[in-house]
Amino acid sequence: DAGVTQSPTHLIKTRGQQVTLRCSPISGHKSVSWYQQVLGQGPQFIFQYYEKEERGRGNFPDRFSARQFPNYSSELNVNALLLGDSALYLCASSPRDTNQPQHFGDGTRLSIL
Amino acid sequence: DQQVKQNSPSLSVQEGRISILNCDYTNSMFDYFLWYKKYPAEGPTFLISISSIKDKNEDGRFTVFLNKSAKHLSLHIVPSQPGDSAVYFCAASENGGSQGNLIFGKGTKLSVKP
Repeated sequence: DAGVTQSPTHLIKTRGQQVTLRCSPISGHKSVSWYQQVLGQGPQFIFQYYEKEERGRGNFPDRFSARQFPNYSSELNVNALLLGDSALYLCASSPRDTNQPQHFGDGTRLSIL
Repeated sequence: DQQVKQNSPSLSVQEGRISILNCDYTNSMFDYFLWYKKYPAEGPTFLISISSIKDKNEDGRFTVFLNKSAKHLSLHIVPSQPGDSAVYFCAASENGGSQGNLIFGKGTKLSVKP
């Protein structure tokens, strides 16, 4: 079975631009979460979506938004990019059963110039 | 303030010996703990987890121990293999592993030398 897939793998943008990152969950998983990982830190939670509804939001500004589609895939949008948004953006999916782990994709490496 | 702490940035172990990775947490509401392994240029890979109602969970060479009174958990790898060399992240959740957000430590880089 395919794992969590993310696209693109790498992206270079300039300050002020907007970016959209995409994620396809593992087949049968209905929950998708987004995380940001900066160098030297662990992943930090941004959003969780389940059945197309936002179920959790981390401490990120409103420039960050996301949505989930009927096929459970998801997009993360970041507006007005700042240098500090340079990071690895990870998507994770899970089956929503309480004690089942989240499984991560390989991430999108976003660089802001 | 960090809710999940991995105080050792790195650990070096000889092949065949035991690797012990430690993690401390401050939030007594955490009810589920996970360990992930991460290779460069890959996403974190789930390794093993433990519910707060247990104090030990074992899966092959990997064992996780939970000490709730000390708010401490550890991952034991026996025997260690060179392929285990990676960054290991401890994570915790208040709402089970799939629901809610995961709070991660900063990671410990394990090097297993042949």
